[in-house]
Order: sequence, then C-alpha cells, then structure tokens
Amino acid sequence: DTEVTQTPKHLVMGMTNKKSLKCEQHMGHRAMYWYKQKAKKPPELMFVYSYEKLSINESVPSRFSPECPNSSLLNLHLHALQPEDSALYLCASSQGIYDTQYFGPGTRLTVL
Amino acid sequence: GENVEQHPSTLSVQEGDSAVIKCTYSDSASNYFPWYKQELGKGPQLIIDIRSNVGEKKDQRIAVTLNKTAKHFSLHITETQPEDSAVYFCAATSKAAGNKLTFGGGTRVLVKP
Repeated sequence: DTEVTQTPKHLVMGMTNKKSLKCEQHMGHRAMYWYKQKAKKPPELMFVYSYEKLSINESVPSRFSPECPNSSLLNLHLHALQPEDSALYLCASSQGIYDTQYFGPGTRLTVL
Repeated sequence: GENVEQHPSTLSVQEGDSAVIKCTYSDSASNYFPWYKQELGKGPQLIIDIRSNVGEKKDQRIAVTLNKTAKHFSLHITETQPEDSAVYFCAATSKAAGNKLTFGGGTRVLVKP
C-alpha cells in the first residue's frame, strides 16, 4: 500500500482566515514533505520532515507553518495568506529521506 | 544546483503508437531518476524509476533508459492508450542533494483514440 491521504480536498479561505491542511500515511515512512504546485508547473518543495523533525525549509514565508505531531501525520497551518498562495498543496512521504517519494492527491487551495 | 530540462512540453500521439519523453540533467552526482504521471485533479503518481547503476528498466508498456555519460534519460510508452493521457514529470536527485527532487517542466501527453 503506497497511499498518502490529504484533507480537505478543496479549501477556500479569506486572507484573514486561519486554516490547516492535513496529511496522513500508514506506510511506516519516516520522511514527509509539503510541496506547492501552481497550474502547469512542476511541484515545488516547501518543507521536509525526517523522523518528525523539520530538516528542510525552502525559505517559505512564515504564513505557512508546518507541524509533524507524530510519524504518520503532517499538518500545514495557514494564516494571513495572499491570493497568489492559491495552488495545489501536495504531501508526500518516503521510507527515509533518500528513498522514493509517494504523493497524496493534494488539497486545492483558493485564497480570496 | 541541479537543473532538469524536459522535452517536448506537449505530445500528441495516436492510440497504439509509441510516446517518448526526454530529460537532461546537469549535476553528474545525480543518481536517482523517477518519473511521475499526473492526471487532472490528482497528485503525481510514480510510474517508474531508475538508479544510476542501471541503464534500462521496463515495466510492461513503460520503459526508462539512462545515459550517464550524456546526462540524459528518457521515458518510453509503447502501445499508448487513452488512459495514458496525462502530464508526465521527470526528476533527478542525489544523496548530496538530500533527495531533493529537481523536476523537469512536464510533458502534457494526449493520446487520440
């Protein structure tokens, strides 16, 4: 089973809202990732967690705040976003940080 | 850092024909090359991958070839079917890069019935 699940599937939020995206995997993977994907572009890495610790932050604005409560869960907290943050947010996981990454279906975020 | 170029950006083929997508990379240290298929409204799905100690890998109608000397790798899809229509991304990475995937720009493949 190589399933990564993400909720919600779609999210519409205003610029003053606070919302969270959730990602879950039960494959025993110890590395988890957040990516942002704009239309007709490849995914762009945002954050990497390895063994529940943040190991890479690709200079992402502080209005995006990741959290890894345990080895199966990854959250992305959103606050004071801008319309240009509208995108597909993808979660991925891998056995370790040097292993194959498996992506979830994504959350389509629209910021009004 | 690594740079991956992917061609063509769009590819239209007749059902049953073959499709070939080519990628070149710049970092000779790259040693892992996955290919992802992304259907509309879905996340990227790994379809095949190859490591630098292998020159070719096949999985049913899909094959990937790697030329380390020339620093390019290709995806070959034979006997294309309408369900092969999607955007395909190549990627490259290395341990030195911490497995950070550098993606190509993507190829939109349309298989016409």
